[in-house]
Amino acid sequence: KAGVTQTPRYLIKTRGQQVTLSCSPISGHRSVSWYQQTPGQGLQFLFEYFSETQRNKGNFPGRFSGRQFSNSRSEMNVSTLELGDSALYLCASSSSGTTDTQYFGPGTRLTVL
Amino acid sequence: AQRVTQPEKLLSVFKGAPVELKCNYSYSGSPELFWYVQYSRQRLQLLLRHISRESIKGFTADLNKGETSFHLKKPFAQEEDSAMYYCALNDPGNTPLVFGKGTRLSVIA
Repeated sequence: KAGVTQTPRYLIKTRGQQVTLSCSPISGHRSVSWYQQTPGQGLQFLFEYFSETQRNKGNFPGRFSGRQFSNSRSEMNVSTLELGDSALYLCASSSSGTTDTQYFGPGTRLTVL
Repeated sequence: AQRVTQPEKLLSVFKGAPVELKCNYSYSGSPELFWYVQYSRQRLQLLLRHISRESIKGFTADLNKGETSFHLKKPFAQEEDSAMYYCALNDPGNTPLVFGKGTRLSVIA
């Protein structure tokens, strides 16, 4: 089976812009979770989608949003970018949720200038 | 609130020496606990979970509810064990995974 893929792998944006990141889960997986990874805060949960519905949400401002499509592919969007949004954004898929083994993608490295 | 603490940012051991990566958690119920590992230039991946009670690559971890710990152990470290290790917790029932900040294990030849 192909693994979790994330596009793009690298992004450079400026403050105030918005960005959309994409995640394609392993075939057959219905749950997609997003995490932000920074040196200071480590891995922090953003949100989880299951069958096109947001099932869990982390403690991030409303500028961070996501969605999931009928084929389980997911996107996350960050609007009005701030310098502090620079991070590695990881997505993980699993067959039914966060208690299952999470299969991680390689991440998207976002740099905000 | 759930919290996972990994007190060591970096742990260096010699090849063949025992390894213990510490993980403490704060949670009042019966959590699900996991160890994830990230080898150099590879993706984050599950190493083991407490519910499985299995040994993976020689590593074991025992859940100690009294001490709220889930330390990862291996009797004889190998160079290929060098990696970043993350302890994680969640409520049973598809709640978000909470990760510790990770411990970098360096095994010296």
